[in-house]
Amino acid sequence: QSVLTQSPSASGTPGQRVTISCSGSSSNIGANAVNWYQHLPGTAPKLLIYSNNQRPSGVPDRFSGSKSGTSASLAISGLQSEDEADYYCAAWDDSLNAVFGGGTKLTVL
Amino acid sequence: EVQLVQSGAEVKKPGESLKISCKGSGYSFTNYWIGWVRQMPGKGLEWMGIIYPGDSDTRYSPSFQGQVTISADKSISTAYLQWSSLKASDTAMYYCARRAAAAHFEYWGQGTLVTVSS
Repeated sequence: QSVLTQSPSASGTPGQRVTISCSGSSSNIGANAVNWYQHLPGTAPKLLIYSNNQRPSGVPDRFSGSKSGTSASLAISGLQSEDEADYYCAAWDDSLNAVFGGGTKLTVL
Repeated sequence: EVQLVQSGAEVKKPGESLKISCKGSGYSFTNYWIGWVRQMPGKGLEWMGIIYPGDSDTRYSPSFQGQVTISADKSISTAYLQWSSLKASDTAMYYCARRAAAAHFEYWGQGTLVTVSS
């Protein structure tokens, strides 16, 4: 059972906008920034969003993040087939422990 | 260019010991925390612990405290994850990652697959 809660799956058609949510508590998301990672099978996870809504260089602006209270969300607009992957939210808690969500498997139909 | 290069895949028997490595290059190794993340087959990412190579300050996830040992040798810019007695349930992919000042994991190693089977 992961500390952060994500829906196990999400789907959309090319060009569509998809949102993935992440729910936590006052000791993790409520107190610290949220980061999002994209993970393709057989590869290393890739940082997608950091500090709630910041994109590293090279990440398309189709990807955006937001946080409100103890929840966060990742939005992907203009969905592309290459976006099919697992997405994880993560945050730190009050004890310098990192906590991950269980992951959301995104399928592009 | 920042790189984290992990040691190769391992196949071990239950009860055996193992130490896998993560070598950093392209940056000042002592100035950034290195974390370890597990992914069991078909499962999600789990944070195991983190070390600051500058002074070897180490923190463990409560789930992994006492199960593994995280260490670092700053003279060769390498972090380690170690087991003293492997179990079949340790079969997983293990990733190291560098923690940025803003607390996200910005650079990742390629992963080390550990298989424990009799």
